[in-house]
Amino acid sequence: KAGVTQTPRYLIKTRGQQVTLSCSPISGHRSVSWYQQTPGQGLQFLFEYFSETQRNKGNFPGRFSGRQFSNSRSEMNVSTLELGDSALYLCASSSMTASGNTIYFGEGSWLTVV
Amino acid sequence: AQSVTQPDIHITVSEGASLELRCNYSYGATPYLFWYVQSPGQGLQLLLKYFSGDTLVQGIKGFEAEFKRSQSSFNLRKPSVHWSDAAEYFCAVGEMTGFQKLVFGTGTRLLVSP
Repeated sequence: KAGVTQTPRYLIKTRGQQVTLSCSPISGHRSVSWYQQTPGQGLQFLFEYFSETQRNKGNFPGRFSGRQFSNSRSEMNVSTLELGDSALYLCASSSMTASGNTIYFGEGSWLTVV
Repeated sequence: AQSVTQPDIHITVSEGASLELRCNYSYGATPYLFWYVQSPGQGLQLLLKYFSGDTLVQGIKGFEAEFKRSQSSFNLRKPSVHWSDAAEYFCAVGEMTGFQKLVFGTGTRLLVSP
């Protein structure tokens, strides 16, 4: 069974540009969430989608947005990039089973803003 | 609000020695608890999780963790550390509602000396 797949793995953008990151969850998983990881702030929750609906949102500005498609694939977008947006962006997918909610992460997308 | 404390930023252990990484959480109800490991430049790999039931949970790579409600702790242990265990370890608490939102600790970097 394939894991969580994120593309692109690495990208460099210029301040003011926008970026779109993609995530394909594990087959059968309907919940997808996104996290930002930086050396200063650690791992922070961005948002979560389930069946194409945003269920939960972290404390990030409106420049950060996301969506989920009918096949559970998800994208996140960051507009008007700032230097501080440089980070590892991690996508996770999960499925609720009798043994609880197991959350699996992808390898991440490394974003550098210059 | 949920929170997770990992009091040790760095830990150095000799290869073959035992390991214990500390994690304390704050959560109003019975939490989901997770331990993840991250190697440099990689995503997060799930080591183990606690959902309910037996408070001693076994994970991959020979790791185990014990949930102690009275101490609000979920410490990670391994009886004999291998050089390949050198990585950063994150403890996380999740909601039981099925929503996929994790709150992470700041991580503990494990160094393994020969």
